Amino acid sequence: NAGVTQTPKFRILKIGQSMTLQCTQDMNHNYMYWYRQDPGMGLKLIYYSVGAGITDKGEVPNGYNVSRSTTEDFPLRLELAAPSQTSVYFCASSYMGADTQYFGPGTRLTVL
Amino acid sequence: AQTVTQSQPEMSVQEAETVTLSCTYDTSESDYYLFWYKQPPSRQMILVIRQEAYKQQNATENRFSVNFQKAAKSFSLKISDSQLGDAAMYFCAYGGGGGADGLTFGKGTHLIIQP
Repeated sequence: NAGVTQTPKFRILKIGQSMTLQCTQDMNHNYMYWYRQDPGMGLKLIYYSVGAGITDKGEVPNGYNVSRSTTEDFPLRLELAAPSQTSVYFCASSYMGADTQYFGPGTRLTVL
Repeated sequence: AQTVTQSQPEMSVQEAETVTLSCTYDTSESDYYLFWYKQPPSRQMILVIRQEAYKQQNATENRFSVNFQKAAKSFSLKISDSQLGDAAMYFCAYGGGGGADGLTFGKGTHLIIQP
């Protein structure tokens, strides 16, 4: 049981490039989330999903897109990377909506 | 929208002593969850303790306990017998409204353990 896995762990992008952050969970959770953590701050919600085929925007969705074709996978797409997207990105999942979320190890992204 | 406030950016405690981290939140909901997560330098988010708002009894997990004051909207974390491995960022988080839209996090408290 690996829990929540994320790839890659680190990435450096040039301004204007695109990439996909991968997230997979093996706990059969319906709820999945993407957060970003800026230096000295807590986590802010980017997008979330309540099940396969259903996604919705969180607090800071601009510049990102998601899809949820299976229960296990919830990739986050960055289009036209900007320096403001330099951050640590966390994927999380939960069995119930408001209850305990289990986090992946995070991806540190730098946009230069 | 809910807000979570951690008023202590940094706390320091001697090894084996007790320390309390503060958290207040703002909500109009009556049914919700509260959490403390630990983030060590590895950056992994680790659940420390969880409290269900409808339960009056304060949650306890070994050396970690909370003081949940629902009317005051306060949720503090007490760490007893502090250990070097407790050094980390601690985040208070709120989950409510069905929770589909994620948790709301405070800005965190950096806990330093003095040997």
